[in-house]
Amino acid sequence: RKEVEQDPGPFNVPEGATVAFNCTYSNSASQSFFWYRQDCRKEPKLLMSVYSSGNEDGRFTAQLNRASQYISLLIRDSKLSDSATYLCVVSNDYKLSFGAGTTVTVRA
Amino acid sequence: NAGVTQTPKFQVLKTGQSMTLQCAQDMNHEYMSWYRQDPGMGLRLIHYSVGAGITDQGEVPNGYNVSRSTTEDFPLRLLSAAPSQTSVYFCASAPGAEETQYFGPGTRLLVL
Repeated sequence: RKEVEQDPGPFNVPEGATVAFNCTYSNSASQSFFWYRQDCRKEPKLLMSVYSSGNEDGRFTAQLNRASQYISLLIRDSKLSDSATYLCVVSNDYKLSFGAGTTVTVRA
Repeated sequence: NAGVTQTPKFQVLKTGQSMTLQCAQDMNHEYMSWYRQDPGMGLRLIHYSVGAGITDQGEVPNGYNVSRSTTEDFPLRLLSAAPSQTSVYFCASAPGAEETQYFGPGTRLLVL
């Protein structure tokens, strides 16, 4: 079983729509959680860390459910520039595990 | 402040050749790591280092060696390239494993 699993999508949404997707992780001892964004063939960049109480950064909201071992990301009022692959990342004992990514395409 | 730099950007090797992928950072980060990314798969950790002189294996270490003689540099060596090592390689650095990872632009490697 993969350590981190994501719905690959693609999620194809119109501008202004809300899109949400989840990621599950297998190691209950995982310590830190993140969402990274990767544009085509480029390096990943941090979108946001995910905290136990949930957190928001502008139009982006992340939630962590430790009991069910999943992390979610919600994007409100989607922009064309939100089109990217979103990578779920889980950290445990100095090692980071990445999901394969969820592709989001925002259309005009 | 250049961040994380990787060289070369592209490389073509023949099976059995050796090479070193270079990674350097100028942010005085203790934690550095190497990943490979293959189509349909997430980034997979090859090796990581928590500081100069300390390295450890990640998820897919076979066929790769690393060393960390300075804080700034973390080269990845392929001793005898195989077609299965065709991939995009990313180096990353951070103050620690639990903190924001800064990635280099990647090296695209083709092994024939």
